[in-house]
Amino acid sequence: GEDVEQSLFLSVREGDSSVINCTYTDSSSTYLYWYKQEPGAGLQLLTYIFSNMDMKQDQRLTVLLNKKDKHLSLRIADTQTGDSAIYFCAESTSGTYKYIFGTGTRLKVLA
Amino acid sequence: DTGVSQDPRHKITKRGQNVTFRCDPISEHNRLYWYRQTLGQGPEFLTYFQNEAQLEKSRLLSDRFSAERPKGSFSTLEIQRTEQGDSAMYLCASRGLGETQYFGPGTRLLVL
Repeated sequence: GEDVEQSLFLSVREGDSSVINCTYTDSSSTYLYWYKQEPGAGLQLLTYIFSNMDMKQDQRLTVLLNKKDKHLSLRIADTQTGDSAIYFCAESTSGTYKYIFGTGTRLKVLA
Repeated sequence: DTGVSQDPRHKITKRGQNVTFRCDPISEHNRLYWYRQTLGQGPEFLTYFQNEAQLEKSRLLSDRFSAERPKGSFSTLEIQRTEQGDSAMYLCASRGLGETQYFGPGTRLLVL
């Protein structure tokens, strides 16, 4: 079945780059997403990438997709304390309406 | 505030009771999703509506769970005969024509 895996924790210093990784199993994924969840708040879509793309950049965020290895990463440049949150990777597949989310990576930014 | 509201925000109930949650999506969005999120996990897909039609249900959705979207606007999720394992955050999301799902704040359910 479909599965999306992420490492649980990442700690970086303010101003450094953060790289959050995700692997997925469904080779027919069409879109892959990164969501952010802050304490006590709902999920917020940060960015997404279509499966025929390798890279997408949006201001401080860079998404890299390696479809062969089924690996997705989110790079946050110049990480700020306000970036501390849980980041979820998710995928959707054509032919189904459901989205599969990973377990989330808790990013802690140290001042 | 994403524009998606959920009610109630918190619910405490005793095992065996029925509970109903409501989601009001962004008004022009025809797509609506329900998810369940337990501590330390990502959201798990429960069901999807396009307008009033329920087009997909997860195998996680046992026969104690039912969802409706009678007029293609708000949606309700009912859990009958609640069990302690139903304790979770229940999230609703709506989506228009694009790829972005807008999540509500969730309803936190505690079954005693």
